[in-house]
Amino acid sequence: AQKITQTQPGMFVQEKEAVTLDCTYDTSDPSYGLFWYKQPSSGEMIFLIYQGSYDQQNATEGRYSLNFQKARKSANLVISASQLGDSAMYFCAMEDNQGGKLIFGQGTELSVKP
Amino acid sequence: DSGVTQTPKHLITATGQRVTLRCSPRSGDLSVYWYQQSLDQGLQFLIQYYNGEERAKGNILERFSAQQFPDLHSELNLSSLELGDSALYFCASSVELWADSGNTIYFGEGSWLTVV
Repeated sequence: AQKITQTQPGMFVQEKEAVTLDCTYDTSDPSYGLFWYKQPSSGEMIFLIYQGSYDQQNATEGRYSLNFQKARKSANLVISASQLGDSAMYFCAMEDNQGGKLIFGQGTELSVKP
Repeated sequence: DSGVTQTPKHLITATGQRVTLRCSPRSGDLSVYWYQQSLDQGLQFLIQYYNGEERAKGNILERFSAQQFPDLHSELNLSSLELGDSALYFCASSVELWADSGNTIYFGEGSWLTVV
């Protein structure tokens, strides 16, 4: 069965520093997609970044990059130059092998300190 | 703004009642998903529709039902509500069945349901 594991329930980072949020996954499918979402305290779920299993390069979107290590089955999110507004819950998710629906990890709560 | 619109944003209702949550997907998106987020269960997939047809079913209770209309908007109906149904309900949409770098899954802001 497919599974997403986020082992860091909470993390702190100093403003302007970089932070890495861990995500490991388990799947036997050769083709899959990995997502990261941000959920601020207001509740909305904001798409950050996507990585396909066959993508040759690690995905990047502005200050967000995905450190994709296929052999280790890890898809860590790197946030560079943290800002106070980055304080939120972050969810890693994998696309189900039946198509479309997402399997989520438990999330990591990131707090950015001024 | 993701382009996915959900109404209502907040809803308080009594046990035993029935509510309807509405979702308008992003323009051009054919696939609609419903998720439930609660403190004890985390984010759970409920159901997916694609171009009006049910595509996949997750941990959706029999008291819950959904449909996608010809204009592609979707509704999630929750009946015989229990205290444990209190949660944040998300709608999400994507263009196709499968995501890729050009077709990702966007979420609405959610509907907060409180059952008292």
